[in-house]
Amino acid sequence: EAGVTQSPTHLIKTRGQQATLRCSPISGHTSVYWYQQALGLGLQFLLWYDEGEERNRGNFPPRFSGRQFPNYSSELNVNALELEDSALYLCASNSRRFHGYTFGSGTRLTVV
Amino acid sequence: TQLLEQSPQFLSIQEGENLTVYCNSSSVFSSLQWYRQEPGEGPVLLVTVVTGGEVKKLKRLTFQFGDARKDSSLHITAAQPGDTGLYLCAGGSNYKLTFGKGTLLTVNP
Repeated sequence: EAGVTQSPTHLIKTRGQQATLRCSPISGHTSVYWYQQALGLGLQFLLWYDEGEERNRGNFPPRFSGRQFPNYSSELNVNALELEDSALYLCASNSRRFHGYTFGSGTRLTVV
Repeated sequence: TQLLEQSPQFLSIQEGENLTVYCNSSSVFSSLQWYRQEPGEGPVLLVTVVTGGEVKKLKRLTFQFGDARKDSSLHITAAQPGDTGLYLCAGGSNYKLTFGKGTLLTVNP
């Protein structure tokens, strides 16, 4: 069974640009979660999608947005990039019957 | 806001030693999970505990969920260099996980 896949693995952008990160959940998992892991701050909850709908979002500005497609894959968009957005962005999926998440390996976003 | 505090933040020990890391909160969670993360990778689920007072063992790792479901501990017996990594606890509530900042464990050969 394929795990959670994220692309790209690394992304370098200039301040003010836009970044698009992609995530494919485990087959059969309808929920996708996005987390930001910045140095020293731990995993910060960004967004939760389930069945194509945004169910919850964390304390991040509106320039962090995303969507979930009919095949349950998901996209995270970050507009007007700032230096502080440099972090590892992790995607996770789970099924309704299980409490645990399966994480992807993440996208390392560097803003210069 | 639900917060999880982990201690210690850093731990460096010799191979063969025992250790315990702690995860504490003022909030009650429906479940408590422990993950291990290696550099450049996403966290990997080790265990989920859901019942207050529950104890689970996974080889040399013992996980305990507090009676009030607000705290948890992870005990590793006879640590090995392969146990090196960032250990994260996460509290579950309404399908959302809140993570602690983690304990960075280094086991020296």
